Amino acid sequence: EPEVTQTPSHQVTQMGQEVILRCVPISNHLYFYWYRQILGQKVEFLVSFYNNEISEKSEIFDDQFSVERPDGSNFTLKIRSTKLEDSAMYFCASVDRGIQYFGAGTRLSVL
Amino acid sequence: GIQVEQSPPDLILQEGANSTLRCNFSDSVNNLQWFHQNPWGQLINLFYIPSGTKQNGRLSATTVATERYSLLYISSSQTTDSGVYFCAGLTNFGNEKLTFGTGTRLTIIP
Repeated sequence: EPEVTQTPSHQVTQMGQEVILRCVPISNHLYFYWYRQILGQKVEFLVSFYNNEISEKSEIFDDQFSVERPDGSNFTLKIRSTKLEDSAMYFCASVDRGIQYFGAGTRLSVL
Repeated sequence: GIQVEQSPPDLILQEGANSTLRCNFSDSVNNLQWFHQNPWGQLINLFYIPSGTKQNGRLSATTVATERYSLLYISSSQTTDSGVYFCAGLTNFGNEKLTFGTGTRLTIIP
C-alpha cells in the first residue's frame, strides 16, 4: 500500500538554526498538509498546500515557517530560526477522496 | 471550525477486556477518522468512517452522523493496543484541515 514518507525520523538542532523537514506524499495526491503535535498534546494543523501554493495556514504558521514543493515528489517544511517551543512531532499528510494519510512523523528537538 | 471532544481521557484495562472510546463533534462532518498513536509517536490510520459501521479484526467503529458522535470499540484488548487514540473530523471535502480531539490514552495491563 502506498504511504507518505517523512525524513528524518528525528532531528536535533540548536536554537536559532534552520531546519528542513521532508515529506514524500503519495503520488497522484494533490492536497498536502503539515500538522504539529507538542508532546502530550493534540495534533494541530499548520498549513495546507495545493497547486503549488498555500491554501490555508494556522496562526502557528508565522513568518519563521515556509513550505515548498521543489519538485514533483517532495514537500518540505522549513523553520528558519528554531525556538525551544518548536520542539514537537511534525506530521505530513496527503489526501485522496477525503481520506488523509499521515506519515510516521519527524520528531524535532530544539536544544 | 468544528470542536472535537473525546472521552474518557484515560482508560486502564486488563488484557482481554473490551473497551469503548467516544468522540463527539460540534457540527456535521464529511470525514471522520480514527487514529492510534503508538509509543514511537506514529499515527496509524484505523478507520475512515463519516457514517455507519466498519470492522477490522478486533476493532470496529460506528459513527452516528445525525447525533454527531462516533464510537471506537476494541475487543479482547492486547498490550499492543496501548497508546493514544485520536479521532479527527472535517466538515467539507477538498482542501480542508482535520480537527483532532485531545485523545484517549489506553493502557492495557498484562
